[in-house]
Amino acid sequence: EIVLTQSPGTLSLSPGERATLSCRASQSVSSRYLAWYQHKPGQAPRLLMFGVSSRATGIPDRFSGSGSGTDFTLTISKLEPEDFAVYYCQQYGTSPTWTFGQGTKVEVK
Amino acid sequence: QVQLVESGGGVVQPGGSLRLSCTASGFIFSDYCMHWVRQAPGKGLEWVALIWYDGTNKYYADSVKGRFTISRDNSKNTLYLQMNSLRAEDTAFYYCARTKAAALYYFDYWGQGTLLTVSS
Repeated sequence: EIVLTQSPGTLSLSPGERATLSCRASQSVSSRYLAWYQHKPGQAPRLLMFGVSSRATGIPDRFSGSGSGTDFTLTISKLEPEDFAVYYCQQYGTSPTWTFGQGTKVEVK
Repeated sequence: QVQLVESGGGVVQPGGSLRLSCTASGFIFSDYCMHWVRQAPGKGLEWVALIWYDGTNKYYADSVKGRFTISRDNSKNTLYLQMNSLRAEDTAFYYCARTKAAALYYFDYWGQGTLLTVSS
């Protein structure tokens, strides 16, 4: 089973700053199978990116995804107040199965 | 707009049973595969189960296999999760989520979740 490790666990930043979130896989992941989600307390998780770098419907272009193989990155170019949340990467594996990273919390500094 | 609304959560004793429901609206329910994903307190997300758009195929995480059963009623736009032999470690928020059959790789819409607490 592929394990996804996200870092850092918590990112303390101010609005307007750039956020860089990392997701490392224990084995190579097909780019098609890597997605990112945003989750705020009491709300439904929200799909941000799929296929590493494709933005989901309605996601602003300050969000971007990159990477390949075992190393993937979610970048938020300029943090808006509504971007403070927990972010999860997720991969799809054969069987089928879906696994998530443990999450990165982006909090207000 | 797409809406997924979970219900049925509550407090159950260890060894007990409960059925969760997820009511869908705003899209053609029978066109989509549906999943349950859970999040234990202070933990990350864990995929639980998948049911094919027509109910023909079902898959489960090892942690719930043999205890949980996923089902759907496309005439009622509703997804279910029957949970038996519940354990303390099943305590979590349970979310329903959808994927396209042709793109199982990611969950494009989720519900807000319902909380199950397994405790004596």
